[in-house]
Amino acid sequence: DIVMTQTPLSLSVTPGQPASISCKSSQSLLHSDGKTYLYWYLQKPGQPPQLLIYEVSNRFSGVPDRFSGSGSGTDFTLKISRVEAEDVGVYYCLQSIQLAWTFGQGTKVEIK
Amino acid sequence: QVQLVQSGAEVKKPGASVKVSCKASGYTFTSYGISWVRQAPGQGLEWMGWISAYNGNTNYAQKLQGRVTMTTDTSTSTAYMELRSLRSDDTAVYYCARDPSVDYWGQGTLVTVSS
Repeated sequence: DIVMTQTPLSLSVTPGQPASISCKSSQSLLHSDGKTYLYWYLQKPGQPPQLLIYEVSNRFSGVPDRFSGSGSGTDFTLKISRVEAEDVGVYYCLQSIQLAWTFGQGTKVEIK
Repeated sequence: QVQLVQSGAEVKKPGASVKVSCKASGYTFTSYGISWVRQAPGQGLEWMGWISAYNGNTNYAQKLQGRVTMTTDTSTSTAYMELRSLRSDDTAVYYCARDPSVDYWGQGTLVTVSS
């Protein structure tokens, strides 16, 4: 299985400041169809994960433009340009290039 | 709008079975698959397996092989996940998610395994 490694595992951010989360995969997530199957989610307490970014850099419907994704191959980054109070929760990266999806360990983001 | 609505919470004894449902609406059910993901209390997300709503093909996580069965009923646009021989470490919230777009998730079903 592909191993997904997120760093850091926790982050404390002042509102209005930027935040960045890294996700590294043990194998390339670039498929022969030209797409890279890397996704970012935010899970708030008591809720299912909500999709933020799909295929590395595409914001899902309704996701604020302060969220952005970048990267290629095996190295990926989620950036929040200006953290807001509603952004608290656990962020996960996910690979689905293999039928057996695997998730990063999660990064807990809290507000200072 | 796309929705996946799951069945309610369950409490089971060790050794029993549980069957969780996931009813889809707002899209053509047979155009997508359904993956199942679980989350133990305070833990991360674990993929359990996938089923094609088009032809019923399945692929299960190796650690659950022999204990899990995923099915669909296209007449009601509902997917099912049955887990047998339950153990205490199967206590988790179980989610269904639309595959391969990975965009919409059910609300989760808490399964508690306790004697």
